[in-house]
Amino acid sequence: NAGVTQTPKFQVLKTGQSMTLQCAQDMNHEYMSWYRQDPGMGLRLIHYSVGAGITDQGEVPNGYNVSRSTTEDFPLRLLSAAPSQTSVYFCASSSGLAGVGETQYFGPGTRLLVL
Amino acid sequence: SQELEQSPQSLIVQEGKNLTINCTSSKTLYGLYWYKQKYGEGLIFLMMLQKGGEEKSHEKITAKLDEKKQQSSLHITASQPSHAGIYLCGAPLRGSNYKLTFGKGTLLTVNP
Repeated sequence: NAGVTQTPKFQVLKTGQSMTLQCAQDMNHEYMSWYRQDPGMGLRLIHYSVGAGITDQGEVPNGYNVSRSTTEDFPLRLLSAAPSQTSVYFCASSSGLAGVGETQYFGPGTRLLVL
Repeated sequence: SQELEQSPQSLIVQEGKNLTINCTSSKTLYGLYWYKQKYGEGLIFLMMLQKGGEEKSHEKITAKLDEKKQQSSLHITASQPSHAGIYLCGAPLRGSNYKLTFGKGTLLTVNP
């Protein structure tokens, strides 16, 4: 049971480039989400999904796209990278609703630097 | 929007000392999660509290949610270097059972 996996671990992009951050979980969790972590800002929710085919925006969705074609995978796409998107990105999954006691499990993160 | 304030922002203690980290909400909490993060790594789930007055312990770490469900504390007894890291509290956003909002974290350093 690998839990939540993320690739790549590190990435350097030039402004304007696009890329996809991969996230996969093998726990059959319905709920998946993407956060970014910045110094002094804490973790902020980018996008989330409550099941295959269903996604919604979080606090800071601009510049990012997501899709959920399978239960296991939840990729995050940067359409045209900007220096403001330099951050550490975390993917998380859970089997149920946070408000009723379900734990979110986090991946190891992807460190992204946009030059 | 619901905000979570953590205090202190950073903490340096000598090995063996006890310490407390606080997480305060401007609104009633409907669940409070504590995570630990080591530099360059993901978040490790520690504990989840839901009921007012609830207290949970795991090894030398104890977390408590106050009766009013607006403040939680994380207490470490006899700290060790392995306790060092960033401690984050998180709570479901009001009106959305799924989305979690997080505090900005407390950086703990434990000197041998």
